[in-house]
Amino acid sequence: GESVGLHLPTLSVQEGDNSIINCAYSNSASDYFIWYKQESGKGPQFIIDIRSNMDKRQGQRVTVLLNKTVKHLSLQIAATQPGDSAVYFCAETSPGGNKLVFGAGTILRVKS
Amino acid sequence: EAGVTQFPSHSVIEKGQTVTLRCDPISGHDNLYWYRRVMGKEIKFLLHFVKESKQDESGMPNNRFLAERTGGTYSTLKVQPAELEDSGVYFCASSQRAVRNSPLHFGNGTRLTVT
Repeated sequence: GESVGLHLPTLSVQEGDNSIINCAYSNSASDYFIWYKQESGKGPQFIIDIRSNMDKRQGQRVTVLLNKTVKHLSLQIAATQPGDSAVYFCAETSPGGNKLVFGAGTILRVKS
Repeated sequence: EAGVTQFPSHSVIEKGQTVTLRCDPISGHDNLYWYRRVMGKEIKFLLHFVKESKQDESGMPNNRFLAERTGGTYSTLKVQPAELEDSGVYFCASSQRAVRNSPLHFGNGTRLTVT
């Protein structure tokens, strides 16, 4: 599998608990944000997105919260399962931007 | 629909050699992106094609990297000559519309090891 790197923050949670993964984004002009999940040996997979005119968006078992005042994004996973173990990346883009800028990533480990 | 496919999945080459990575985007996706993840750190943008045109190549690290998308279908990324610091995972992604209006679909990546 792919090395996950020595410097990524790691969140360890018990199966069934809720997980909260945080991300500080860099560009105050960014107005579109996405969370991706990357499992070992695979490419990043879209989880959920949010635009800057919202502060909360819910999906299936996941919720994204956006705080533009402090440039903070979070991903909440309810009832975390072993299959949620992966590296999670936030990504942002700004008006007129044609590319996603990714954050550093957080390793989520789920203990059974 | 078939997803984004990348070839090879792994490549091990010696410093100074040449490697060519290939990406086949999802059919009909005009936007094609190359990203890479080095040393297990963040995923960094390399460049963006719209059809066969390079829209943004600001992330290309130096002139040892050459990307092409002849005909606006598949793309290749050539590294020549490869250096040790080029080791990492190279991801290709495609989208139907601009990244702000449609999600990026990523391939599984090519893991490049330069020894």
